[in-house]
Amino acid sequence: DGGITQSPKYLFRKEGQNVTLSCEQNLNHDAMYWYRQDPGQGLRLIYYSQIVNDFQKGDIAEGYSVSREKKESFPLTVTSAQKNPTAFYLCASRNSGRTDTQYFGPGTRLTVL
Amino acid sequence: QKEVEQDPGPLSVPEGAIVSLNCTYSNSAFQYFMWYRQYSRKGPELLMYTYSSGNKEDGRFTAQVDKSSKYISLFIRDSQPSDSATYLCAMESGNTGKLIFGQGTTLQVKP
Repeated sequence: DGGITQSPKYLFRKEGQNVTLSCEQNLNHDAMYWYRQDPGQGLRLIYYSQIVNDFQKGDIAEGYSVSREKKESFPLTVTSAQKNPTAFYLCASRNSGRTDTQYFGPGTRLTVL
Repeated sequence: QKEVEQDPGPLSVPEGAIVSLNCTYSNSAFQYFMWYRQYSRKGPELLMYTYSSGNKEDGRFTAQVDKSSKYISLFIRDSQPSDSATYLCAMESGNTGKLIFGQGTTLQVKP
């Protein structure tokens, strides 16, 4: 059963704590993406990676970090430097060069208490 | 000014109505145009994909792209309550790997 999995579905953290969101795909896609979605807003790109061991900042990278050590995994760390981290986080993947293959995971809702 | 503008709605229609959802954009380099459907608290799913100008039809859904006007549309015929969701337009120029999304339009189809 191919797809993208994100865990956990819901996450709560206290202010000042770092937290890592998991994203795994078994679609053999080269590229992976992290987006943030706030109420009433579209998706904003945080980081993306088109190949293992390489990644680029998106439009709102401040306060976030990523790694891409394996093709199927692209974890996102929300650091304490992110001023407003409460949001819905979405991971996506696709084949490089194939815009029509971008698929999303189910998302993680992060709430900072 | 945002690169992609989309009226957030909400849009409420009776079952069976024809729905028209629209986005405008400012970047003439956009070549790839997509519509995603997102149910509440779920990840978006790809609904329609169009390259350059023209129409594309898939069942009850039709996507239109007018590059001269920088305007894209999604039409839903015979709308159903199960179509109630947020619809996001997305665009990409070349093969940058970066999609630019509209705000999303929330649609409610009433039985």
